[in-house]
Amino acid sequence: DTEVTQTPKHLVMGMTNKKSLKCEQHMGHRAMYWYKQKAKKPPELMFVYSYEKLSINESVPSRFSPECPNSSLLNLHLHALQPEDSALYLCASSQGAGIGTDTQYFGPGTRLTVL
Amino acid sequence: RKEVEQDPGPFNVPEGATVAFNCTYSNSASQSFFWYRQDCRKEPKLLMSVYSSGNEDGRFTAQLNRASQYISLLIRDSKLSDSATYLCVVNKGKSTFGDGTTLTVKP
Repeated sequence: DTEVTQTPKHLVMGMTNKKSLKCEQHMGHRAMYWYKQKAKKPPELMFVYSYEKLSINESVPSRFSPECPNSSLLNLHLHALQPEDSALYLCASSQGAGIGTDTQYFGPGTRLTVL
Repeated sequence: RKEVEQDPGPFNVPEGATVAFNCTYSNSASQSFFWYRQDCRKEPKLLMSVYSSGNEDGRFTAQLNRASQYISLLIRDSKLSDSATYLCVVNKGKSTFGDGTTLTVKP
């Protein structure tokens, strides 16, 4: 079963709010990813966790704060976002160490709207 | 030059047609290659991995040409359900996505 789950499915927040996106996988995968996808654009990598440690941060603004509490969970904490941060946020996982050679499996995404 | 470039599309084809997409990449040290399919407002789903020897899955055939640094996807006997955006992914340390090619199969 190649399932990655994400909650919530939709999120609307104001620029002063603090919210969190959650991602979970039970496939024993060792790498987990956050992507941001704007309409009609490909996913853009934000963060990679490998064995629960942050291995890649693609120069993402500090208003996005990732957290990996354990090997199955990945969070993305949001604070003081801007309207241009509105997008589909995708979580993915892969079996290997996240060095980019493995197949990634995506969750359904959280559609975020910042007012 | 972008690291990964795809045919811009859109491709509009009738049912039963054969359609081919190409994707070129700039980093000759790239390690692995994939085609993903993404339906409107959904997540990308793996369609197939791509190998130099070529691989086939039913109506879909993927091919890698390392010398010319491109990958291809061939869809035979197109179905209405094949309508989607097709993303090529090239991996070298991290994944780089092409911009996607939109396919619409019409009755």
